[in-house]
Amino acid sequence: AQSVTQPDIHITVSEGASLELRCNYSYGATPYLFWYVQSPGQGLQLLLKYFSGDTLVQGIKGFEAEFKRSQSSFNLRKPSVHWSDAAEYFCAVGGDTGGFKTIFGAGTRLFVKA
Amino acid sequence: DVKVTQSSRYLVKRTGEKVFLECVQDMDHENMFWYRQDPGLGLRLIYFSYDVKMKEKGDIPEGYSVSREKKERFSLILESASTNQTSMYLCASSPIPGQAPYEQYFGPGTRLTVT
Repeated sequence: AQSVTQPDIHITVSEGASLELRCNYSYGATPYLFWYVQSPGQGLQLLLKYFSGDTLVQGIKGFEAEFKRSQSSFNLRKPSVHWSDAAEYFCAVGGDTGGFKTIFGAGTRLFVKA
Repeated sequence: DVKVTQSSRYLVKRTGEKVFLECVQDMDHENMFWYRQDPGLGLRLIYFSYDVKMKEKGDIPEGYSVSREKKERFSLILESASTNQTSMYLCASSPIPGQAPYEQYFGPGTRLTVT
C-alpha cells in the first residue's frame, strides 16, 4: 500500500541552525515526491518536487530535498532556519499508479526559537 | 498568479444542518480535490473529480457528497452535519499528470465547527 511517514511530529530548532525533516515513503512504482508548507491559518504551498533526474532538488525559500531510492526517503533540508520558517511541513507521494491521488504524511510542525 | 478560493474561512453550523462548501479555481485545471485536515492525521482525501460531472470517492467519503457542474467549481456537501465533521477543509486543484507536473494548488481552507 502507498504510504508516507514523517517520523517527527514536531521539531524545535534555533534560528540560524540547520534543519532536516525526515520523510519515508512506500510506493509500488516510480514516485512523484513533494514537500508542502502550511503557515498558520493558510492552505498548503508547494516547496519543491521530484519527478526524475537529479536526486537533489532545490525549492523555494532556500529549501532542498534529496531523493534516496535505496532508503525510500525524501528528506527536506535547509542550512539556516529563519523565524518565518515556523510552520507545518507535509511530505507527499503520488504517481501514475493510484490514479490522480496524492498521499500526504501526517506533517511535522517546526518551531523556531530565537 | 494561480488561485484557488474557498467560499468561507470560518463556518459554524448546527448538527443536522446541510452544509455547502464551495471551491473555485482559475487555472483551468481538470482535477479538483477535497481534503479534511485533522491534527496528527495530516490530509485525508474525501472526494476528487477529474472532469466536469465526474467524481471519485477518496479515503473518507462517508457523510459527504460533491458536485462539479462547471470545470472551475467543486462543491463539498455535508448532507447532515455531525460534530465529528468539525475540521479544517481544504480544496485543491491540479492539471492532468503527464501534461504538466501535477502538484496540487490549495485554497486557504475552511474551518468548520459543528455544534
